[in-house]
Amino acid sequence: DAGVTQSPTHLIKTRGQQVTLRCSPKSGHDTVSWYQQALGQGPQFIFQYYEEEERQRGNFPDRFSGHQFPNYSSELNVNALLLGDSALYLCASSLQGTNTEAFFGQGTRLTVV
Amino acid sequence: AQSVTQLGSHVSVSEGALVLLRCNYSSSVPPYLFWYVQYPNQGLQLLLKYTSAATLVKGINGFEAEFKKSETSFHLTKPSAHMSDAAEYFCAVTKSNDYKLSFGAGTTVTVRA
Repeated sequence: DAGVTQSPTHLIKTRGQQVTLRCSPKSGHDTVSWYQQALGQGPQFIFQYYEEEERQRGNFPDRFSGHQFPNYSSELNVNALLLGDSALYLCASSLQGTNTEAFFGQGTRLTVV
Repeated sequence: AQSVTQLGSHVSVSEGALVLLRCNYSSSVPPYLFWYVQYPNQGLQLLLKYTSAATLVKGINGFEAEFKKSETSFHLTKPSAHMSDAAEYFCAVTKSNDYKLSFGAGTTVTVRA
């Protein structure tokens, strides 16, 4: 049973560029949440997708957007990259958004130069 | 709003010694509380969770935590540290009808031989 898979594992982008990160949830899960983890800090909630809709959003600017597909996989898009967007981006999947059973992927390490 | 505070950003213990990681929470409603572990360059793995059942919660790898409402605490312990316990540990909180996890800043554990 594959767990949560994220791609790519590492990415280097230039300031001002756009990036797309991808996540496939654990088998049987229908909800995907995205978190940003800056170096030396705890993860910060970006948003959650359920039934292809953004259900809840954290304190992140509109440059951060997402999408969920009918197969429950999800993308995180970040536009106009800033140096401060450099972080580990974690995807978590769950069933109907129940955080008591959230599983995390390995993350995508984004470096903005 | 809910939040957690992890006391001590770094903890160093000898192999075989007690591991104690402190977490205090603030929540206006009964919380769900979690401890996650993160090994270098990896995602988050759930160690244990409190969801209003037994106040003493046993998790994986010999860890346990006790929910103390009067002290608003959820400290993590392990009686005897092993070298493989060296990692970063995060306390997190959520509540029913909330789709996000709110994480503490993390505590890095090093184990001395």
